[in-house]
Amino acid sequence: DSGVTQTPKHLITATGQRVTLRCSPRSGDLSVYWYQQSLDQGLQFLIQYYNGEERAKGNILERFSAQQFPDLHSELNLSSLELGDSALYFCASSVAGGNIQYFGAGTRLSVL
Amino acid sequence: GDSVTQMEGPVTLSEEAFLTINCTYTATGYPSLFWYVQYPGEGLQLLLKATKADDKGSNKGFEATYRKETTSFHLEKGSVQVSDSAVYFCALSGSSNTGKLIFGQGTTLQVKP
Repeated sequence: DSGVTQTPKHLITATGQRVTLRCSPRSGDLSVYWYQQSLDQGLQFLIQYYNGEERAKGNILERFSAQQFPDLHSELNLSSLELGDSALYFCASSVAGGNIQYFGAGTRLSVL
Repeated sequence: GDSVTQMEGPVTLSEEAFLTINCTYTATGYPSLFWYVQYPGEGLQLLLKATKADDKGSNKGFEATYRKETTSFHLEKGSVQVSDSAVYFCALSGSSNTGKLIFGQGTTLQVKP
């Protein structure tokens, strides 16, 4: 058990809908990262937060947004969903940027 | 930009065989290098890491050496077990202090009894 908790485990929704994925980092970790794993794109970095502030951005679509709350949990919001957004979304946390990242078990999103 | 290239899979081996999974990288500066493993239905787990040239990371019988001259970080294990069947990802973290990971495409390893 990595100590990183992601909910829900599975999410099935329809095109055009909006969903929220939640991540609770390991106790004491200030940095949260979001990654997308899909068959065609592999594992890609989406966005990083550190202590509530956005620190780095990857290939994150404008339809996607994230935030980190004062209690350090993070949410990834995906809107106007398309079939191609179906993927595994992982959250990882670390003490600070540049340290070892610990991954959650992921949320599997299926857009029908 | 920074990138990681892994050998294509799947790799199928018999138990107790020698394993090599090749990984090369392109990066500016001095990245840290990692191998992560993903067992079926689970998240990624850090297997080993190396933070500077000539460092050797090792864990659970797996080893990888950071070779700056060949920009490589090949994963090796002398004798694989059925329980090693998983997807293995090579990754780098660049010189910036963000720590974001750039992953290779992953290599599926299947070990048969």
